[in-house]
Amino acid sequence: AQTVTQSQPEMSVQEAETVTLSCTYDTSESDYYLFWYKQPPSRQMILVIRQEAYKQQNATENRFSVNFQKAAKSFSLKISDSQLGDAAMYFCAYRSAFRNKLVFGAGTILRVKS
Amino acid sequence: NAGVTQTPKFQVLKTGQSMTLQCAQDMNHNSMYWYRQDPGMGLRLIYYSASEGTTDKGEVPNGYNVSRLNKREFSLRLESAAPSQTSVYFCASSEAGPDYGYTFGSGTRLTVV
Repeated sequence: AQTVTQSQPEMSVQEAETVTLSCTYDTSESDYYLFWYKQPPSRQMILVIRQEAYKQQNATENRFSVNFQKAAKSFSLKISDSQLGDAAMYFCAYRSAFRNKLVFGAGTILRVKS
Repeated sequence: NAGVTQTPKFQVLKTGQSMTLQCAQDMNHNSMYWYRQDPGMGLRLIYYSASEGTTDKGEVPNGYNVSRLNKREFSLRLESAAPSQTSVYFCASSEAGPDYGYTFGSGTRLTVV
């Protein structure tokens, strides 16, 4: 079974600085998709960024980018120019190309200091 | 607004009581899911429905039942609530392809006393 590990329960960043959230996953499959979700205090789950495993180019969405290392099974999220509104729980998730389920990591709480 | 609607948003149950969490989506998605979120454990899949008329167990199905009433609706039932079922429950839906993320409802905070 696939597993997703987020080794940082909590992270802090100063406003306007850059922070990287770590995620590793375990799979024997070669075709899959990886996601980062943001959960603010409102509890709503918001899709931040998505990466296809067959694409070598790292995905970017405005201030959010990923460092996808397929051989190392690593999928970290970099947030540049951090803003107070970035404070949230962030979940890394894996979805096989062959199975219809998302597998989530335990989450990382990100605190942004002003 | 288009999306996934869950009801209720909050619920307190006594041990042994039953209840049904309701979920409806208006995006014409084939697949629907129920997850529970617990501190330090992320979101864990309870049940899912790949298409209308089918349901399958996820990672933590014990103590729950589901019904895919039609393409829009997917309900989760607790027959005899236990304190271990205190959690936040999320319903989600998606297109069938793996390159799509999920659209989530706003969650139900359930407390079993």
